[in-house]
Amino acid sequence: DARVTQTPRHKVTEMGQEVTMRCQPILGHNTVFWYRQTMMQGLELLAYFRNRAPLDDSGMPKDRFSAEMPDATLATLKIQPSEPRDSAVYFCASGFEGANTGELFFGEGSRLTVL
Amino acid sequence: SQQGEEDPQALSIQEGENATMNCSYKTSINNLQWYRQNSGRGLVHLILIRSNEREKHSGRLRVTLDTSKKSSSLLITASRAADTASYFCATDLIQGAQKLVFGQGTRLTINP
Repeated sequence: DARVTQTPRHKVTEMGQEVTMRCQPILGHNTVFWYRQTMMQGLELLAYFRNRAPLDDSGMPKDRFSAEMPDATLATLKIQPSEPRDSAVYFCASGFEGANTGELFFGEGSRLTVL
Repeated sequence: SQQGEEDPQALSIQEGENATMNCSYKTSINNLQWYRQNSGRGLVHLILIRSNEREKHSGRLRVTLDTSKKSSSLLITASRAADTASYFCATDLIQGAQKLVFGQGTRLTINP
């Protein structure tokens, strides 16, 4: 059963620490997205990759956030240094853009708490 | 800013009743999708309706799309306790691209 895998599922850290979240997209998918979910802002798009190339990271705070796809099986979202306002659930999603572009498949999320 | 806005923000009904949720959006779209999110879980795709479609069915789900009013509705018939979740509409702004913008969601509670 193909699924998007995210690690860690939960992370508690102190302000100023580096946080790295990882995502394994579904094999064969050519798009990867990072979303952040909070009660106040809802789901915000942070980054968007197609064929491993970053297409849009306009939703991401550039000074502390970075997103990469070292290879087709791994996407990472890094926060350095982390701040309490970064506390949220971070979702990775993958999909396929093509002749019949359709749904996104979401992971279970990484719940981040920055103290 | 959010592209889609769901209405109502919260809905509580009795099991067996129908639940209707609405979504409004601001700009022209290619597709509109609905997703469900159970508490503490990721989003799960429910149904996609293209801009040239007006209505679509999938099991107990019925989705309508009115591009002239920039609105969509999701109807869940014969609701079950397992339908308790948050429901989100999402729009893709660029043809052929999956960049989705999500609304704030409707929190649906089905009372047994």
